[in-house]
Amino acid sequence: NAGVTQTPKFQVLKTGQSMTLQCAQDMNHEYMSWYRQDPGMGLRLIHYSVGAGITDQGEVPNGYNVSRSTTEDFPLRLLSAAPSQTSVYFCASSDRGHEQYFGPGTRLTVT
Amino acid sequence: KQEVTQIPAALSVPEGENLVLNCSFTDSAIYNLQWFRQDPGKGLTSLLLIQSSQREQTSGRLNASLDKSSGRSTLYIAASQPGDSATYLCAASFSGGYNKLIFGAGTRLAVHP
Repeated sequence: NAGVTQTPKFQVLKTGQSMTLQCAQDMNHEYMSWYRQDPGMGLRLIHYSVGAGITDQGEVPNGYNVSRSTTEDFPLRLLSAAPSQTSVYFCASSDRGHEQYFGPGTRLTVT
Repeated sequence: KQEVTQIPAALSVPEGENLVLNCSFTDSAIYNLQWFRQDPGKGLTSLLLIQSSQREQTSGRLNASLDKSSGRSTLYIAASQPGDSATYLCAASFSGGYNKLIFGAGTRLAVHP
C-alpha cells in the first residue's frame, strides 16, 4: 500500500493564482481531511469528508474548496491564492474513530 | 472552545534519560487521542492512539496514558536515544467530531549523546 500520497511536494504561486493540491489514499478509508500547519502552531483543520459526495468545513475553510467524487481522492482547491495561505498542507485519512494516517505534505509559498 | 495544549514547547535531555511529554485538553467529552512524531520537513507518523475507554497504550519504549477527568495525556519515552529527536504532537477528537483532530502546538525534543 502507498498509504496517503500528496502532489505536488512544493509549489510557488503568485497572489491571485489558483491551483489544486492532490490527495489520494489506497486504504479504502471513509474519512479524509485537509490540515494546514503554520510555524509555532498546531495543525488546523480546513475541510473534511466522511465519504464520497459528502464534505464539510473545518476550522479555517475560507479561500479553499473541496469535493469528493471517489473514495480514493480528495483534492483541495485554492480559488485565489493569498500570501496568508503560505503554509504546509497535509492530507489525512482514517476509518471511523481509528488512527489517522497523514501524507508527506505540500509546501506552498504564495508571493 | 476545545483546545489542546502541550508543555513544554521544547525539551533537551541527555541520552538514556526517561522522559515525559505532557498534553492537556479542555473538553472531557474526548473521543480519542493520538500521539504523532514529526521530523523536520516531513509528515506526521502516528505513534499511539488511545480510545476514550482506555487508560493507556504501549508500543516498544513508548507508553501513552489518558486521564479524562483531569484532561491530561502523557507520553512516556523510556531510555531516550538521539534518534528520538523530533517534534511530538498530540491531537484529540471529541464527541460530535470523531474524525476532526484538534492539535497541540507540539514539543520539540532534542536527545543529545
